[in-house]
Amino acid sequence: QQPVQSPQAVILREGEDAVINCSSSKALYSVHWYRQKHGEAPIFLMILLKGGEQKGHDKISASFNEKKQQSSLYLTASQLSYSGTYFCGTPSSGSARQLTFGSGTQLTVLP
Amino acid sequence: KAGVTQTPRYLIKTRGQQVTLSCSPISGHRSVSWYQQTPGQGLQFLFEYFSETQRNKGNFPGRFSGRQFSNSRSEMNVSTLELGDSALYLCASSLTSGGKGETQYFGPGTRLLVL
Repeated sequence: QQPVQSPQAVILREGEDAVINCSSSKALYSVHWYRQKHGEAPIFLMILLKGGEQKGHDKISASFNEKKQQSSLYLTASQLSYSGTYFCGTPSSGSARQLTFGSGTQLTVLP
Repeated sequence: KAGVTQTPRYLIKTRGQQVTLSCSPISGHRSVSWYQQTPGQGLQFLFEYFSETQRNKGNFPGRFSGRQFSNSRSEMNVSTLELGDSALYLCASSLTSGGKGETQYFGPGTRLLVL
């Protein structure tokens, strides 16, 4: 089952904050976040693991609520370079290399 | 370290033809996964290889196949191309094949257009 992301799109000004949500109908062991700019490869941002461990980006934070099967990505003081499509991915099986991705959240940061 | 490389970057084929795409993972990485990205279906997992063995397979027809070589480089093949196969094909490499905290690093992709 594909995780559900919200919102589908968000437009904000430089310096503003944004939150992107990812929820799943099944138990989550980890959530993987990526950002993709148009025509480019998805770039790894962060992994959140069951138990609270996080690995990833310095300027982006995230939360992982295991009970609610949700994760949220927090982008604070947005920069123009934050523009892109953000995807969350969840492991479909015991392997983190078989990720099921949400449909993406398109973030546009305006000057 | 060099990142994941994919060749070719762009490809135009006609229906019925077959195509082979290549992926070289990050040096030292032994796992390669393939994904298809389309505007309609998004990012979808195709298959994963580790130590020359297919470990996982997504929900794609048998026309999609792959293999991995002893140097961890991987190829994927699509036979009897259909218009709907037009997509960005992404390869992702990771260090090993264990654990839910493993990070995948994506290559730039091969954009395939089927006419």
